[in-house]
Amino acid sequence: DAGVTQSPTHLIKTRGQQVTLRCSPKSGHDTVSWYQQALGQGPQFIFQYYEEEERQRGNFPDRFSGHQFPNYSSELNVNALLLGDSALYLCASSPGQGGRYEQFFGPGTRLTVL
Amino acid sequence: AQRVTQPEKLLSVFKGAPVELKCNYSYSGSPELFWYVQYSRQRLQLLLRHISRESIKGFTADLNKGETSFHLKKPFAQEEDSAMYYCALSGENYGGSQGNLIFGKGTKLSVKP
Repeated sequence: DAGVTQSPTHLIKTRGQQVTLRCSPKSGHDTVSWYQQALGQGPQFIFQYYEEEERQRGNFPDRFSGHQFPNYSSELNVNALLLGDSALYLCASSPGQGGRYEQFFGPGTRLTVL
Repeated sequence: AQRVTQPEKLLSVFKGAPVELKCNYSYSGSPELFWYVQYSRQRLQLLLRHISRESIKGFTADLNKGETSFHLKKPFAQEEDSAMYYCALSGENYGGSQGNLIFGKGTKLSVKP
């Protein structure tokens, strides 16, 4: 099991563009969470998907949206990119929604907005 | 508001010295607290969680509800402990399901030979 995988590894976009990031969870996991990690900061929760629905959402604008597919993989979409969206985007999977489940993190996608 | 504070950005110690990485939290209910670690060029991974009360790689952390702290400790630091350490709190939504993690800004531990 390769664990949580994310693609692409790096991405460069310009302001106003749209971006899609992808995540495949660890085998046996059905819950996917997305985090944004700005330079020098801890990861900040964006949202969590379970059973193809957004179950929890952090303090992020509607420009950030997501999707979960029947195979539990997930996408994060960001519209109208701003310079401040430059960050490392982390995907984490777990075998359930609750806090008692360990979250396993992927290597992240580094997004640079110029 | 739910918040995790790690007051030290960088902690530098010599091999064999004791280590304490500080973590304070703000939470209105019963928290679930975690320490995550990120070694160089590796992904973020769980080190330990307060409900399991385990000692992992010699590290322990005790939840002190009175002081709202969850400090990470190790009696004798090793060079391989050098890494970025994040304290995290499991948040809560209106449905009562705790799934999202609230992270501190992290402390970089450097263990010198």
